[in-house]
Amino acid sequence: GAVVSQHPSWVICKSGTSVKIECRSLDFQATTMFWYRQFPKQSLMLMATSNEGSKATYEQGVEKDKFLINHASLTLSTLTVTSAHPEDSSFYICSAGPRDSNRYEQYFGPGTRLTVT
Amino acid sequence: LAKTTQPISMDSYEGQEVNITCSHNNIATNDYITWYQQFPSQGPRFIIQGYKTKVTNEVASLFIPADRKSSTLSLPRVSLSDTAVYYCLVGDGRESNTGKLIFGQGTTLQVKP
Repeated sequence: GAVVSQHPSWVICKSGTSVKIECRSLDFQATTMFWYRQFPKQSLMLMATSNEGSKATYEQGVEKDKFLINHASLTLSTLTVTSAHPEDSSFYICSAGPRDSNRYEQYFGPGTRLTVT
Repeated sequence: LAKTTQPISMDSYEGQEVNITCSHNNIATNDYITWYQQFPSQGPRFIIQGYKTKVTNEVASLFIPADRKSSTLSLPRVSLSDTAVYYCLVGDGRESNTGKLIFGQGTTLQVKP
């Protein structure tokens, strides 16, 4: 089956620094990837749609200058949390679907736990 | 994307069949119904998808009545490892080609020994 990986699986950073999270589709190409974040005991919240070769589309209320997304290839999207603050601490998850899939099916990465101190 | 309503939580015991019902009164003609499972500190996993009647795979069954305003995910003979959050999503089959998913609150299933 389709596999999506994320790196790192967890990261601790100091307030004010930037953190980059990678999302890779390992055995398929994805022109579109999605980034979510999830706070404890809450559901996933879609942050943005990452489009290969073009700008990301952000959901309402998500700061595009704070959460920089780059989709440089058909298998890699990166999310950079800039000038991180403790309130950015969360579980970040990416998803992608094979290009030839016409089902409402996405493959999710294992997630990245970000802790900002 | 149609809004969905699910019970916040459910308890069950090992070996029992669990049925989780999702309401989606405003489902559109092109919408599919999809269920995901999420374990703590992991990404969600696709379980099953359907449009009408009944769909069955190796993991679960999905029952959809004729009016499609609700759906029921059925997990046969649950085990402790089925303890997870289950999300019901409804979306346009065409829009879903882009993969964009909007998650509701989900149902936390607790399976007890």
